[in-house]
Amino acid sequence: AQSVTQLGSHVSVSEGALVLLRCNYSSSVPPYLFWYVQYPNQGLQLLLKYTSAATLVKGINGFEAEFKKSETSFHLTKPSAHMSDAAEYFCAVSPSGGYQKVTFGTGTKLQVIP
Amino acid sequence: SAVISQKPSRDICQRGTSLTIQCQVDSQVTMMFWYRQQPGQSLTLIATANQGSEATYESGFVIDKFPISRPNLTFSTLTVSNMSPEDSSIYLCSVEDQVGSGANVLTFGAGSRLTVL
Repeated sequence: AQSVTQLGSHVSVSEGALVLLRCNYSSSVPPYLFWYVQYPNQGLQLLLKYTSAATLVKGINGFEAEFKKSETSFHLTKPSAHMSDAAEYFCAVSPSGGYQKVTFGTGTKLQVIP
Repeated sequence: SAVISQKPSRDICQRGTSLTIQCQVDSQVTMMFWYRQQPGQSLTLIATANQGSEATYESGFVIDKFPISRPNLTFSTLTVSNMSPEDSSIYLCSVEDQVGSGANVLTFGAGSRLTVL
């Protein structure tokens, strides 16, 4: 069984400030972890993924996430928020080893304040 | 990565009617997935559609309510039958896509936003 918990359904940051979106996972086997972004009226787009290689994963648009097994966390960060980062972000988990069912978190809406 | 076209992008439907959503992929894919995203909630997998076999439904979803077709490796449809206001959601088509090495990831269409009155 696997699950994902995203802390904070809404997060507001000022433009230029650090973005931190929290994700904790539960998985009975080594996981693959993902962050997706959904802009208004669009589908989900992959930001980054962790697949048991480097624990610090860099993605698109300046985002990165660090896999911490001891904390079962995969938080998403960006040093400086931009107005265009305003969107909904979903953390997701799947068991490793070929394609397996993906479980999504409930999402965090990021608001960037000018 | 694959490019997915979904239509309709949005529709307003009357209670009791049915609507079919189409999903077209620009390359051949083995597995296609249909997700539902209810207002303010996360994505829930409805079913997995494989070409040449019946779709595999997740717990809580049944074929009579959500019949799926998968006639070939680039196309699938999802029908939402006998709709009620509770079916108002965004329905998303996705495919398993290889992005670099490692895990296959999901690529999504833009979604079909249904409002049932």
